[in-house]
Amino acid sequence: EDQVTQSPEALRLQEGESSSLNCSYTVSGLRGLFWYRQDPGKGPEFLFTLYSAGEEKEKERLKATLTKKESFLHITAPKPEDSATYLCAFGGGAQKLVFGQGTRLTINP
Amino acid sequence: DGGITQSPKYLFRKEGQNVTLSCEQNLNHDAMYWYRQDPGQGLRLIYYSQIVNDFQKGDIAEGYSVSREKKESFPLTVTSAQKNPTAFYLCASSQQGGTEAFFGQGTRLTVV
Repeated sequence: EDQVTQSPEALRLQEGESSSLNCSYTVSGLRGLFWYRQDPGKGPEFLFTLYSAGEEKEKERLKATLTKKESFLHITAPKPEDSATYLCAFGGGAQKLVFGQGTRLTINP
Repeated sequence: DGGITQSPKYLFRKEGQNVTLSCEQNLNHDAMYWYRQDPGQGLRLIYYSQIVNDFQKGDIAEGYSVSREKKESFPLTVTSAQKNPTAFYLCASSQQGGTEAFFGQGTRLTVV
């Protein structure tokens, strides 16, 4: 069965303290692994697409990486404005998007 | 500007009433999706459509119905059969099924 698990559920960091969020997945026929940022009361904002193992994408303080079983979202020297819920999702053989539960990230000044 | 528009942003419904949530996109995307999000939870798939006049049930379709008569529009009806309809509803679209999707700003439905 296609599924995705994110960890940790919540993460609290000090400003400038780098860390990583994990997204583990099981899917037949991966069409893409996607990362989103969601602020409270708003729709998810698209961040990255990764298609194959070894691929990396970067945007400001965020870098997403992909292996055959996991994806990581690395956050370098985060700022309070990086506080949000980060969601990962994949597109698989069923041609639908399956989302993880999200990681709620809080950056304290 | 291209994007996805959901309306209304807030919706109140009395128990026993059906209500329809609107979702329109001008991105020329083939696939559209409806998700439900409860407080502190992830997104659960209600229905999705890969092409006009065709749609499939997601993981929690009971008590919901959809139509896809036009490429740009994918309305969701929350029926009185949905036992716990109070939630945040998100609509999304993608070029093809299973590819990167873009979301609207959501509709918060409250049953009173």
